[in-house]
Amino acid sequence: GENVEQHPSTLSVQEGDSAVIKCTYSDSASNYFPWYKQELGKGPQLIIDIRSNVGEKKDQRIAVTLNKTAKHFSLHITETQPEDSAVYFCAARGQAGTALIFGKGTTLSVSS
Amino acid sequence: GAVVSQHPSWVICKSGTSVKIECRSLDFQATTMFWYRQFPKQSLMLMATSNEGSKATYEQGVEKDKFLINHASLTLSTLTVTSAHPEDSSFYICSASGPSYEQYFGPGTRLTVT
Repeated sequence: GENVEQHPSTLSVQEGDSAVIKCTYSDSASNYFPWYKQELGKGPQLIIDIRSNVGEKKDQRIAVTLNKTAKHFSLHITETQPEDSAVYFCAARGQAGTALIFGKGTTLSVSS
Repeated sequence: GAVVSQHPSWVICKSGTSVKIECRSLDFQATTMFWYRQFPKQSLMLMATSNEGSKATYEQGVEKDKFLINHASLTLSTLTVTSAHPEDSSFYICSASGPSYEQYFGPGTRLTVT
């Protein structure tokens, strides 16, 4: 089955800096890669996703890149703000209707 | 994005009792719903996948007789933790998937078994 590795487990940046979180997946059949932000005591919130027919997607300060050949994808957050502090999870999945497989998460801390 | 609700948001129960958690998709029809469990500072672990009108598919190691899942309609799935024990204390999160690729999560239910 699918296995998703996520690095780093913790990341501390200064406000205004960029943050990059990387994930690798094992199943070449996976074709959907979402990123979730989870704040303490809350459910995960979808922040951006990418499908395998696209190499990069951007939404304001957030971008995701996908390298299918290397089987890795990354989350890029620019101009970080204290409210970006949270746990971020990457995930991978095959066909629609099947379950997401999650990475172990990255705790991002943005200090002002 | 789509909205998924869970009820209750937190519950405390005594060991040996059963607890039911509801998961609803509020503005879309969910062909598939998923139940996850999350322990403190850990990732989400898939417990089971449920499709409306059919039996749930449980992940290896998850007791189907202990964690009863009912997906009665396209907008409602329930998880019942039967004969709960302290080790069942956790954060239970449901998610719902419609006809597109996106999967949306509920706010979670904090279960504490005393």
